[in-house]
Amino acid sequence: EAQVTQNPRYLITVTGKKLTVTCSQNMNHEYMSWYRQDPGLGLRQIYYSMNVEVTDKGDVPEGYKVSRKEKRNFPLILESPSPNQTSLYFCASSWGRVTDTQYFGPGTRLTVL
Amino acid sequence: DAKTTQPTSMDCAEGRAANLPCNHSTISGNEYVYWYRQIHSQGPQYIIHGLKNNETNEMASLIITEDRKSSTLILPHATLRDTAVYYCIVFRWGNYGQNFVFGPGTRLSVLP
Repeated sequence: EAQVTQNPRYLITVTGKKLTVTCSQNMNHEYMSWYRQDPGLGLRQIYYSMNVEVTDKGDVPEGYKVSRKEKRNFPLILESPSPNQTSLYFCASSWGRVTDTQYFGPGTRLTVL
Repeated sequence: DAKTTQPTSMDCAEGRAANLPCNHSTISGNEYVYWYRQIHSQGPQYIIHGLKNNETNEMASLIITEDRKSSTLILPHATLRDTAVYYCIVFRWGNYGQNFVFGPGTRLSVLP
């Protein structure tokens, strides 16, 4: 089954404790991206990647890192999480072609205390 | 990327057609119109997209005006499970700026 998976689905952590949210897709998609969703602000793109070793910033990249060492995985790294990074996070993937669309993961709800 | 304007919320009676409008007056000639929806806090779900011609699939129809400055998503027979936030997005895949921008969307409530 074609899908985008994220882990963990729920995470409660404390300020400053490094964490990684994993994202994996099994569709051999070249394009992957991360979004965060906050009440009243909608979905905002954090980072995206056009292919292996190619990443770029979205609208709200501050406080986040990503890596794309292999096509299927695109982890989101919070080196020193802060309470303002408490949010619902979505990973998405796509072929990145003109007639293509994005497939979204189920989301990761992160709480930083 | 061009921006879109959608009504904040709409109601629709179950079994009736739901018509969701979107204005995108600054759309570029090579930008597509995409529609997604998000049910509660699930990941957004793709519905349909188009460039200039009207499109139809098993979920919905997309009507794009001739000047491409607005479009309408039509759910022909809305059910309670269609209650969701619907997002209209204009976007072009290319070699730069892959910033897929979601606005606040339209909250559609399908009423029994």
